[in-house]
This record gives sequence, structure tokens and C-alpha cells, in this order.
Amino acid sequence: QVQLVESGGGVVQPGRSLRLSCAASGFSFSSYAMHWVRQAPGKGLQWVAVIYFDGSGSTESYADSVKGRFTISRDNSKNTLYLQMDSLRAEDTAVYYCARGGDSNGWYFDYWGQGTLVTVSS
Amino acid sequence: DILMTQSPSSLSASVGDRVTITCQASQDISNYLNWYQQKPGKAPKVLIYDASTLETGVPSRFSGSGSGTDFTFTISRLQPEDIATYYCQQYDNLPVTFGPGTKVDIK
Repeated sequence: QVQLVESGGGVVQPGRSLRLSCAASGFSFSSYAMHWVRQAPGKGLQWVAVIYFDGSGSTESYADSVKGRFTISRDNSKNTLYLQMDSLRAEDTAVYYCARGGDSNGWYFDYWGQGTLVTVSS
Repeated sequence: DILMTQSPSSLSASVGDRVTITCQASQDISNYLNWYQQKPGKAPKVLIYDASTLETGVPSRFSGSGSGTDFTFTISRLQPEDIATYYCQQYDNLPVTFGPGTKVDIK
């Protein structure tokens, strides 16, 4: 069965970096768009980034709030998705979920991980 | 960015009631609209994609409709296990954006 397991969260000081990982299993990882979605404590959902193959190569896209600070990447040989988070801010505090792009199109999220909490605080 | 609004922000209904949530986009998004259910402490779960397509395994009491800027999500007969927050999400334009959520509980 499809499984997504995030890791790498924790407490980090403002301005520092953190790398999240999402280990995927149970499906052909390289064939699917993969997303990061976050949820600040007690708040709603915010899409963070996507990585997908568009025929000519890998394409990434980001929310404006993280553009230039976060980098999404994937290692298809390891079935793993990453989110490199640099220059972290207090407002980046959230549970970070990795999610698979849906079968019919890559823009709904049909499987989610359990989430990993990132707390940015001094 | 496309702004998504939902109403109501919360509602209380009785078991067996019909529940309707509306979602409005700030511009035409065709049918590029998905609905999610999130229970406390859990990851969201997709219920409806492309405005009206029921995800595999989702009970048929859940349905969605609409296109353009106005969308509706309906639970035909509310069950106790439907207590959750429901979010709409557009993907017509990047960035993908979510509505603020509608919290549903039992009266």
C-alpha cells in the first residue's frame, strides 16, 4: 500500500536551515508529482511546493512565501522527496506534510504522510 | 494569487441532516477544484477532485458540484464520523491555494 513517511522536523533557530525528507513506498515514485503542504498550529492548509516531470525534465514551483528560501528535490533511486529549508522564520513554524499528486491529475493530493513538526524559535 | 473563500466557517447539524458548504474563487477556475476532509490530529483526506469526481473509496453521501467561481460540497446525510474540517483547494493557477476551512460538528 502507498506510504509516505516524513522525517527531519524539529526546533530550529530563526535564520538556520533544516532538511525534511519523505520516504515513499508502495507506488512508482518517479511517475508522480510530489508536493509539500504545511499547516501552522491551529490554522489552515498552505501549499508549499511541487516537483514533477513534464516530459522535458524536472519542474519545481513554490509558494511566494518560501520562494528563494526553500528547495524541493527528489531522489527517484531512493524513492525520497526532500525539502531544504533555509533562512527559516518564525512564520515557517508548522506541520509539514508530503503528499502525492493524484492519479488523474497531479494537482489533488491523494496520499499524505503523517506530517513532521517544524518549530522556528530562538 | 487566487483567493478561495468558504462559507460558513463553522456549522452544527444533526445526524442525518443534509450539510452544504460553499466555496468561491476570486476568478474563474473552471472545474479545477478539490475538496478535503481533515480530522483533528490527522492528515487531510481527499474526497472530491475536479469539482465533482468522487475519490475511490469515499462514501457516496459526499458530493461536489460547480464550475467557474462557485462550488458546492454536500454531505447528504451527516454521520458522526463526518465531524471534521473541510477545505476546498484550487489548482487552476499556481500557487495552489486552499480555502480557510469549514468546521462541521454535531448538534
